[in-house]
Amino acid sequence: SQKIEQNSEALNIQEGKTATLTCNYTNYSPAYLQWYRQDPGRGPVFLLLIRENEKEKRKERLKVTFDTTLKQSLFHITASQPADSATYLCALPEGGADGLTFGKGTHLIIQP
Amino acid sequence: NAGVTQTPKFQVLKTGQSMTLQCAQDMNHEYMSWYRQDPGMGLRLIHYSVGAGITDQGEVPNGYNVSRSTTEDFPLRLLSAAPSQTSVYFCASSPIPRTLHFGNGTRLTVT
Repeated sequence: SQKIEQNSEALNIQEGKTATLTCNYTNYSPAYLQWYRQDPGRGPVFLLLIRENEKEKRKERLKVTFDTTLKQSLFHITASQPADSATYLCALPEGGADGLTFGKGTHLIIQP
Repeated sequence: NAGVTQTPKFQVLKTGQSMTLQCAQDMNHEYMSWYRQDPGMGLRLIHYSVGAGITDQGEVPNGYNVSRSTTEDFPLRLLSAAPSQTSVYFCASSPIPRTLHFGNGTRLTVT
């Protein structure tokens, strides 16, 4: 099955700067990759999906890149705000079961 | 605009008790799934369903049963709770491609 690696240490970024989170996977290259946001005590919320033939996807202040050669996705938040503080999860389709495999997430803290 | 609704929000069980975690969605999604989330383990898929009458196992199905009699509902049953099942349980539904819509979870403690 797919193994996903996200930085388990919290990422502290100053407000207004760009936050960059990394997702690395180890096995087959998936048809797409997704990013979710999770706030404490809540379920994850879908943010972006990027397909294997797309190098970059944008949504407002969010940008995702997908490099199938490096087996890596980068998630960027530009002009970061304290409200962007949350845990961000990377997810890939699971080859066996019809579901998604999630990384453990990176906790992002935007400091005012 | 309910989305995915999970009940109860919190539950405490004694070892050996049974219970059903409820999940309902109003988005007419064919796909529904159950995940558990544990510290340091991330989200792990328990069971999923691609439509009414169809269910299948995910990564960690042991100790859990599911059924899917309607498109809207996908209950998760614990037949004999164990302390190892202490976790936060999330139900999710999805259109195609699989962009999951999660409920807000059930926090289960088994003593």
